[in-house]
Amino acid sequence: EAGVTQFPSHSVIEKGQTVTLRCDPISGHDNLYWYRRVMGKEIKFLLHFVKESKQDESGMPNNRFLAERTGGTYSTLKVQPAELEDSGVYFCASSRPGTGVNEQYFGPGTRLTVT
Amino acid sequence: GENVEQHPSTLSVQEGDSAVIKCTYSDSASNYFPWYKQELGKGPQLIIDIRSNVGEKKDQRIAVTLNKTAKHFSLHITETQPEDSAVYFCAAQAGGYQKVTFGTGTKLQVIP
Repeated sequence: EAGVTQFPSHSVIEKGQTVTLRCDPISGHDNLYWYRRVMGKEIKFLLHFVKESKQDESGMPNNRFLAERTGGTYSTLKVQPAELEDSGVYFCASSRPGTGVNEQYFGPGTRLTVT
Repeated sequence: GENVEQHPSTLSVQEGDSAVIKCTYSDSASNYFPWYKQELGKGPQLIIDIRSNVGEKKDQRIAVTLNKTAKHFSLHITETQPEDSAVYFCAAQAGGYQKVTFGTGTKLQVIP
């Protein structure tokens, strides 16, 4: 099966601009997660979708971040306006529904650089 | 919320030697502990996991141990090879489909 894909792989934008990251989960995976790793620190949870519904968005840093998953397939994460501290690698992960086992499969990440 | 601490941050070993990475967690509700390996330019990949009803699990050269009482868990890699060089993350999860809380990562370098 195809893995989790993310686009773009790298984005460089100026402070104040807008960027939209995309994640395509593994087909059939209802659970979709966004994480972020800021330079040298741990990978931190941002939010969790179950199909198109936000299950947990406790990790979203502020209202400049907007995540959507229309139709319960791919997801987008928009940062508007971007700030310097938003730089980092954004990972998306997905997992199967209803098995009681939550092995999360990660995508390769999008490296965001805000200058 | 959960807090996972990981040590060491960097680790260099000679090829063939063993490597040990240690983690602690804070939330007694955590019951699933995956370990991820991240190679350059790739996302984290699950290499082994352990559940709270198990004290040890082994898969070829990789083993994990869990001490629930002390809230400690460790990754052991034996007979290390250059391709084991990567960043390793421990993590904890409190069941179901909840978020995974990661440690800060250990950069392992295996010297040929």
